[in-house]
Amino acid sequence: EAGVTQFPSHSVIEKGQTVTLRCDPISGHDNLYWYRRVMGKEIKFLLHFVKESKQDESGMPNNRFLAERTGGTYSTLKVQPAELEDSGVYFCASSQGADEKLFFGSGTQLSVL
Amino acid sequence: GENVEQHPSTLSVQEGDSAVIKCTYSDSASNYFPWYKQELGKRPQLIIDIRSNVGEKKDQRIAVTLNKTAKHFSLHITETQPEDSAVYFCAAGGYNFNKFYFGSGTKLNVKP
Repeated sequence: EAGVTQFPSHSVIEKGQTVTLRCDPISGHDNLYWYRRVMGKEIKFLLHFVKESKQDESGMPNNRFLAERTGGTYSTLKVQPAELEDSGVYFCASSQGADEKLFFGSGTQLSVL
Repeated sequence: GENVEQHPSTLSVQEGDSAVIKCTYSDSASNYFPWYKQELGKRPQLIIDIRSNVGEKKDQRIAVTLNKTAKHFSLHITETQPEDSAVYFCAAGGYNFNKFYFGSGTKLNVKP
């Protein structure tokens, strides 16, 4: 079974540029989550999709972040325009139904210079 | 909202020794406490979890204990091996779908 895949694994951009991260959850997983870890700190919740609907986006930092999951399959997280404080590792995770077990992707290391 | 504190941030042990990582949480509504292990360059993976109706759970060399009254839970690794070296994250949640609150991680180094 293929795991959660994220692309790209690394992204280095300049402040003010736009970056789009992609996540492909495990096939059949309706729940898709975005989390972020800023250097040395906790992994913080950003948002949760159930299929194509946003269940909870309370963790999104501001309106420079836009997440979509058209068709309820893969998801994208766009940051526009990127700021220095957006640097960190962005994790995607998925789960099936009411199961609490999260399956994480390997993350995208975003560096904003 | 929930606040999870994790200690220590780094832990170095000799191979064969035990390692203990401790977490506290603030929201009494939390009822599910997973632990994730992230090896260098890899994804976080669930290694053990415990629910609030259980005080202790064991899986081979790994155990987790939960004290609901004190709102703290701990990960215990016995007979550590070099392959246990990784960053370990605790988390609390379970009452709001899968919106988990994570600790800041513990980097465990097992010296051969």
